[in-house]
Amino acid sequence: LAKTTQPISMDSYEGQEVNITCSHNNIATNDYITWYQQFPSQGPRFIIQGYKTKVTNEVASLFIPADRKSSTLSLPRVSLSDTAVYYCLVGDIGGYNKLIFGAGTRLAVHP
Amino acid sequence: EADIYQTPRYLVIGTGKKITLECSQTMGHDKMYWYQQDPGMELHLIHYSYGVNSTEKGDLSSESTVSRIRTEHFPLTLESARPSHTSQYLCASTEVTTQETQYFGPGTRLLVL
Repeated sequence: LAKTTQPISMDSYEGQEVNITCSHNNIATNDYITWYQQFPSQGPRFIIQGYKTKVTNEVASLFIPADRKSSTLSLPRVSLSDTAVYYCLVGDIGGYNKLIFGAGTRLAVHP
Repeated sequence: EADIYQTPRYLVIGTGKKITLECSQTMGHDKMYWYQQDPGMELHLIHYSYGVNSTEKGDLSSESTVSRIRTEHFPLTLESARPSHTSQYLCASTEVTTQETQYFGPGTRLLVL
């Protein structure tokens, strides 16, 4: 399983764009990159998943360079409600896999 | 919104008691997981299952046990609770598609006195 490295914490202000980068130097060919969001006292919630290039949905964008050794979660115009822990996971989806959560990045959005 | 449920949400119990944490999902997912998470810390996988009668231990050693007799049900049992078992326990299930997303339940906060 590929190990991931993320910043421990980040601070931002309402209305700003936030970019959280995750390093995964040992990513395997079959691995996908998935990001989850977790609020206090709740289970993680899926945000976005990608394999290469760029993926965008209604809440975020995911940028993955050609070598796939890192990925960047982009949150446009954050609000106070985006204050949470964000986890980057790398793994082979499907089959007998198990996803491993790292320490995540604590994002604090200030007024 | 995912249909995965955990009961109880909160449990305070004395040392030595046997407890069972319930987890049920109505999505027909084959894969189910149990994670343990202390406040402000990362999630640790303690058990997982690929389907009925399949159970595996996760990466974090746990004194708990699990069973999977029905697809929708994945209970976790502690035969003799200890203060070191105090934590939050999160259950999840996976939809096997091109986006294998884990859906998490609300969690059970366990306090062992």
